[in-house]
Amino acid sequence: EPEVTQTPSHQVTQMGQEVILRCVPISNHLYFYWYRQILGQKVEFLVSFYNNEISEKSEIFDDQFSVERPDGSNFTLKIRSTKLEDSAMYFCASRYDRAAGELFFGEGSRLTVL
Amino acid sequence: TQLLEQSPQFLSIQEGENLTVYCNSSSVFSSLQWYRQEPGEGPVLLVTVVTGGEVKKLKRLTFQFGDARKDSSLHITAAQPGDTGLYLCAGLNNNAGNMLTFGGGTRLMVKP
Repeated sequence: EPEVTQTPSHQVTQMGQEVILRCVPISNHLYFYWYRQILGQKVEFLVSFYNNEISEKSEIFDDQFSVERPDGSNFTLKIRSTKLEDSAMYFCASRYDRAAGELFFGEGSRLTVL
Repeated sequence: TQLLEQSPQFLSIQEGENLTVYCNSSSVFSSLQWYRQEPGEGPVLLVTVVTGGEVKKLKRLTFQFGDARKDSSLHITAAQPGDTGLYLCAGLNNNAGNMLTFGGGTRLMVKP
């Protein structure tokens, strides 16, 4: 069964360092998302991506964040200069089209900023 | 900003009991989804409801979408320890963007 895969599963970094989280969405899906979940809190929307550009982003997704789909299969989230409060689980998701509401989530990447 | 409020936040019951989890909003959604999340994993879709008043059953789980498409409920009959987990509702409004808005979740523990 097709699935969304994410790497790394866990990354520990020092405050101020750059981090890139990688995702391979389901191959025929057209919409891509990043969500995050701080420990014990709700799943929060960060950004959606369609047709090689950002379609929506939340207030969390500030200038420190960027997304890219460099090669048609990977979908990456870059945090330019990590802060302690960026520590969270980051989930990538994809869906086939706008009418089909189901999002398929990856297993997540746990980011720990020290 | 569309908000989804889930209640209760925590629920601890004995095996065999029934329970209902609620998901409420003041906003109308095009569809509403229920996910289950295990610790350290991503949310896994259980069901999508689209039509106001729609009822869907998934074995012992019954999902209902409110007539006005602002609220939903999840009812579990004869809960089992394997039902333990975090249940999340999430709403999608096709007229107001492309993202799914999650509720805060209901953490269910079913004791044997």
